[in-house]
Amino acid sequence: AQSVTQLDSHVSVSEGTPVLLRCNYSSSYSPSLFWYVQHPNKGLQLLLKYTSAATLVKGINGFEAEFKKSETSFHLTKPSAHMSDAAEYFCVVTLDTGFQKLVFGTGTRLLVSP
Amino acid sequence: GAGVSQTPSNKVTEKGKYVELRCDPISGHTALYWYRQSLGQGPEFLIYFQGTGAADDSGLPNDRFFAVRPEGSVSTLKIQRTERGDSAVYLCASSLLGREKGADTQYFGPGTRLTVL
Repeated sequence: AQSVTQLDSHVSVSEGTPVLLRCNYSSSYSPSLFWYVQHPNKGLQLLLKYTSAATLVKGINGFEAEFKKSETSFHLTKPSAHMSDAAEYFCVVTLDTGFQKLVFGTGTRLLVSP
Repeated sequence: GAGVSQTPSNKVTEKGKYVELRCDPISGHTALYWYRQSLGQGPEFLIYFQGTGAADDSGLPNDRFFAVRPEGSVSTLKIQRTERGDSAVYLCASSLLGREKGADTQYFGPGTRLTVL
């Protein structure tokens, strides 16, 4: 069965420093992978998605992620953190069915200090 | 051009009561999904509609949970005989087609926070 593991429940960075949020996936087939962000009292927003095209995926707000099949990873990165990036981030994989039943990781809370 | 909306934003009820949670998807989206997010967890799939029919309800935890989408637009999630363990944020999402794994973005509403006392 498909699943994702987010290796860190919390990540703290200083404004202007790089961000790395780690995600490993488990899938029997070629997966579709996503990163969603959830700001307090707001809905989940799609940051980026991988659907077997380019392995380096660029998303909104300067985020990007690289699909590495050999490592079964899909880590999220950003070169320089901004205060507004503080939020909960979810790595997501789809099940191998005809539609997108999303399977979420447990989330990583990103804290950004001035 | 509005996004997915959910009402109420907060619902407090007593154990044993019946509740209804409403979801208004983005206009023209044929696929609608319900997820449940417990405190400190990621959302978990409950049910998926393609048009008016529930294409997959395998995530519903038990027969106290039921959802409908009679006209293929608005959906209502119904919970009978609520229990304290039902307390969570219930999220609704919609997508344009619902087909083609990974190709169809799901847009989420802000959620309904359900508290069962």
